[in-house]
Amino acid sequence: GAGVSQSPRYKVAKRGQDVALRCDPISGHVSLFWYQQALGQGPEFLTYFQNEAQLDKSGLPSDRFFAERPEGSVSTLKIQRTQQEDSAVYLCASSRLAGGGVDTDTQYFGPGTRLTVL
Amino acid sequence: GQQLNQSPQSMFIQEGEDVSMNCTSSSIFNTWLWYKQDPGEGPVLLIALYKAGELTSNGRLTAQFGITRKDSFLNISASIPSDVGIYFCAGRRIIQGAQKLVFGQGTRLTINP
Repeated sequence: GAGVSQSPRYKVAKRGQDVALRCDPISGHVSLFWYQQALGQGPEFLTYFQNEAQLDKSGLPSDRFFAERPEGSVSTLKIQRTQQEDSAVYLCASSRLAGGGVDTDTQYFGPGTRLTVL
Repeated sequence: GQQLNQSPQSMFIQEGEDVSMNCTSSSIFNTWLWYKQDPGEGPVLLIALYKAGELTSNGRLTAQFGITRKDSFLNISASIPSDVGIYFCAGRRIIQGAQKLVFGQGTRLTINP
């Protein structure tokens, strides 16, 4: 089966523009996560969905960041009025189970969207 | 944001050499994970460790979950060219019913043929 897919793979935006990044998780996966990976760093947690419910958005850096998963499958991360510090790779991951699941519930990552804000 | 302390940041080795990298944290995790990330791709899980003191192998990879639950190491034996990439440790904990991963800064592995 297909893995996690993300689009676009690359996005260049002028400062102040709005962008929307899409994530298609593995079919049937209940949990979906968004991470931000700055150049030379490890991924950092942004937000978590269980089906359509956004249960944790503690990692979103500002109110310019907004994520949704209206039907419990595809998710969109939207960044309004982009700033240069938003330049990063945005990774999406999904896992089969809800909440904490079991120890063996693996997060599978997509290839990411590289956002460059000029 | 919080990240784990991972070292070394980079390694330059000869093909066939063994590699060792480690990760430490000031706080406890339920699970330790090791991922590998290739250019333009997302991280891929290599090894997962679920119990303090656990030693787990996956082919040429061996990893251990520290007894204090605050550290882990990864060893790669007899390195080959396809081992090139960035390795990340990650600690996993359950907060309010949801799993959260905290990643290290990564170890970039370069292999000279």
